[in-house]
Amino acid sequence: DAGVIQSPRHEVTEMGQEVTLRCKPISGHNSLFWYRQTMMRGLELLIYFNNNVPIDDSGMPEDRFSAKMPNASFSTLKIQPSEPRDSAVYFCASNLRDSFEAFFGQGTRLTVV
Amino acid sequence: AQKVTQAQTEISVVEKEDVTLDCVYETRDTTYYLFWYKQPPSGELVFLIRRNSFDEQNEISGRYSWNFQKSTSSFNFTITASQVVDSAVYFCALSADSGNTPLVFGKGTRLSVIA
Repeated sequence: DAGVIQSPRHEVTEMGQEVTLRCKPISGHNSLFWYRQTMMRGLELLIYFNNNVPIDDSGMPEDRFSAKMPNASFSTLKIQPSEPRDSAVYFCASNLRDSFEAFFGQGTRLTVV
Repeated sequence: AQKVTQAQTEISVVEKEDVTLDCVYETRDTTYYLFWYKQPPSGELVFLIRRNSFDEQNEISGRYSWNFQKSTSSFNFTITASQVVDSAVYFCALSADSGNTPLVFGKGTRLSVIA
């Protein structure tokens, strides 16, 4: 299995631009999580889906952030418009109910200048 | 609310020393799961172990061992005979239920093993 695949691995964009991060979970997994890692706040949950349905988006910092999971094999996290404080590493993770181990993607390092 | 505290921000040891990384958690749930993840310099998050709240047996895996003490809400991680390759940031995490609930992470402990 290829594991959780995130793209792009690195993204540099200018303030005000739209950014879309992508995630392909492991086939058959029915839970998907988006986390953000910063020096100040560590690893924090942004949103998660069970069976493609958003369950908890209370971690999404502002309306500028949105996430979708149109099908079981794909999810996006969009920031529009981006700001320098959005610079972070964004991780996607997936797991199968009752498997207990969340498998993480390699992360997307976002830099907003 | 759930919370994980890793009081040690950074630890530096000389190769072959033993080192213990501390983790203290808070939860009101009676069923919960505890995890340790490793984040090497390359940046990925590597799963190390999961423990459920009903299993207080300590676990050993090679040079790694974990001590779960419910009475003190702690889940400490010991590396025996540390090696340079153990240098990484280690995260302790907690989840409320089975695999489809999110993880609450501690802030991590950066371990540097010096040759």
